[in-house]
Amino acid sequence: ILNVEQSPQSLHVQEGDSTNFTCSFPSSNFYALHWYRWETAKSPEALFVMTLNGDEKKKGRISATLNTKEGYSYLYIKGSQPEDSATYLCALHSTGNQFYFGTGTSLTVIP
Amino acid sequence: EPEVTQTPSHQVTQMGQEVILRCVPISNHLYFYWYRQILGQKVEFLVSFYNNEISEKSEIFDDQFSVERPDGSNFTLKIRSTKLEDSAMYFCASSYLQGALAGYTFGSGTRLTVV
Repeated sequence: ILNVEQSPQSLHVQEGDSTNFTCSFPSSNFYALHWYRWETAKSPEALFVMTLNGDEKKKGRISATLNTKEGYSYLYIKGSQPEDSATYLCALHSTGNQFYFGTGTSLTVIP
Repeated sequence: EPEVTQTPSHQVTQMGQEVILRCVPISNHLYFYWYRQILGQKVEFLVSFYNNEISEKSEIFDDQFSVERPDGSNFTLKIRSTKLEDSAMYFCASSYLQGALAGYTFGSGTRLTVV
């Protein structure tokens, strides 16, 4: 079992603030990294799939970077809005073709 | 937008009973998966299924569990003789491709409570 860690576990920010959180993973088993956004009672929604060291992906106000050599990815949200409130999950897609999820970062954006 | 549908959304069962969790994957997807999340813990891989057979399974997926695609649209997870520790949210997912760029589409989950 590969250990994927996310920090912080939870985060409260004011509307308009920018924020970021971290996903750490063992770099030796890296195949791809997935970020999901998960709202309570809904399906996890795929945000990004990242495969190359130095990858940067962007979707609206959300962006992510990847460092496969040191084993981390950052997710950034610029100008947070209340609708960004959700749990953000990262998942390591390993060379053994399995997904290993982090515990998620729960984001609450306060209006 | 196509979605993965899971039923029921919540199931309560008595310890020792068998349950079947149902999923309807996206129609042109070829790979199917079950994951679970015990409250407060990480989402864990259970099993993947392709071409009518299990392609991978985790150590969690023991003889108590089985999967089936009975009719070309449903994908079911059967849990025999349920235990209290089987209480969890069970997620079904499907993908068209396998590999690094495969986008998994998840269902909204079935919350299983074993009492």
